[in-house]
Amino acid sequence: QVQLVQSGGGLVKPGGSLRLSCAASGFTFSDYYMTWIRQAPGKGLEWVSYISSSDTTTYADSVKGRFTISRDNAKTSLYLQMNNLRVEDTAIYYCARGRTVVPNWFAPWGQGALVTVSS
Amino acid sequence: DIQMTQSPSSLSASVGDRVTITCRASQSISSYLNWYQQSPGKAPKVLIYSASSLESGVPSRFSGSGSGTDFTLTISSLQPEDFATYYCQQSYNTPITFGQGTRLEIK
Repeated sequence: QVQLVQSGGGLVKPGGSLRLSCAASGFTFSDYYMTWIRQAPGKGLEWVSYISSSDTTTYADSVKGRFTISRDNAKTSLYLQMNNLRVEDTAIYYCARGRTVVPNWFAPWGQGALVTVSS
Repeated sequence: DIQMTQSPSSLSASVGDRVTITCRASQSISSYLNWYQQSPGKAPKVLIYSASSLESGVPSRFSGSGSGTDFTLTISSLQPEDFATYYCQQSYNTPITFGQGTRLEIK
């Protein structure tokens, strides 16, 4: 079945770095847009970034220049490198699959990874 | 950026009730509107895509309608597992944006 399994996350100090991973299975990973979406504690959903099947990347202004999305089609994995982390980046980060031609809607989602930025 | 506004922000209802949640976009988004359900402690899951298409495996009591700027999600007969938070999301352009959420609680 189509599945996304996340790893990474944890506690990091402001200004620190962290890398999230998302392992995909059950579909042709290289064909699909992939995305990261986050949810601050008790808050709503915020789109962070997506990457196309041809490796075109797009970012929310709030993370542009600090976060880098990437994919390894051979390993069917998605990554989010987060640098210069801020307290306001504290959230559960979800990876999700988009569509093939456009990002559009997202299904399925990974189980989420909690990132806490605190001194 | 396209702003998505949901109403109401919270709603109390009983099992068997018919419930409607509204989502309004700050500009026309054609039918590029999707609905998600998030149960406590779980990842969101898509219910409706492209405004009115039911995702595979989603019960038929869920339906969506609308185009342009105004959209609705309707649950025809609430079941206990439907008490959750619902989000709309536009995919018309970047940045992709979500509504603030509608929390559906048991009356």
